[in-house]
Amino acid sequence: GAGVSQSPSNKVTEKGKDVELRCDPISGHTALYWYRQRLGQGLEFLIYFQGNSAPDKSGLPSDRFSAERTGESVSTLTIQRTQQEDSAVYLCASSRGFQETQYFGPGTRLLVL
Amino acid sequence: AQSVTQPDIHITVSEGASLELRCNYSYGATPYLFWYVQSPGQGLQLLLKYFSGDTLVQGIKGFEAEFKRSQSSFNLRKPSVHWSDAAEYFCAVGGGNAGNMLTFGGGTRLMVKP
Repeated sequence: GAGVSQSPSNKVTEKGKDVELRCDPISGHTALYWYRQRLGQGLEFLIYFQGNSAPDKSGLPSDRFSAERTGESVSTLTIQRTQQEDSAVYLCASSRGFQETQYFGPGTRLLVL
Repeated sequence: AQSVTQPDIHITVSEGASLELRCNYSYGATPYLFWYVQSPGQGLQLLLKYFSGDTLVQGIKGFEAEFKRSQSSFNLRKPSVHWSDAAEYFCAVGGGNAGNMLTFGGGTRLMVKP
């Protein structure tokens, strides 16, 4: 597609429920990233996929967070047993490869009640 | 560990005035540096980037930034601000030993007075 797309754009859930956030990267981009942006703050790196290599999970805040990517296409970020502190905008980005410019999607705004 | 500091949380300038947004970074190698802009309800848009070469980088929308290694800075400038420039601006550093992750500053919110 023309840009990175994410769905849903907004998600409201109850504490303790699981959520799945989806990211469609730019076609042909081998690298995909997830970031979290809490209200009024900068972005925090969560996880990075590059081709078929093992993902860099160093930014995941707890074992409730996980992500998958099928080949060089769609990625899903899953948050299990959501907590109120998980409320944030979750941003996905993709790039053509290692250390190339990252292009961001519009984000998914998650609110945990 | 790498870090980015944007000392100004909020800045207000008059339309037509010049603008400088500050960014200081901490990094153990030659950094890759970026400025992104985020308008309300929109995703991040890349304004410009520095990988190597000329330390004065031109970007979109009339923005430029200068990499100063001695000061560990990468300040964003624009000679004449337009009302449509009102947004949040993020400086980021990446590359080298840190791999591919970007580390972002906390952002500077720019307001433009008519």
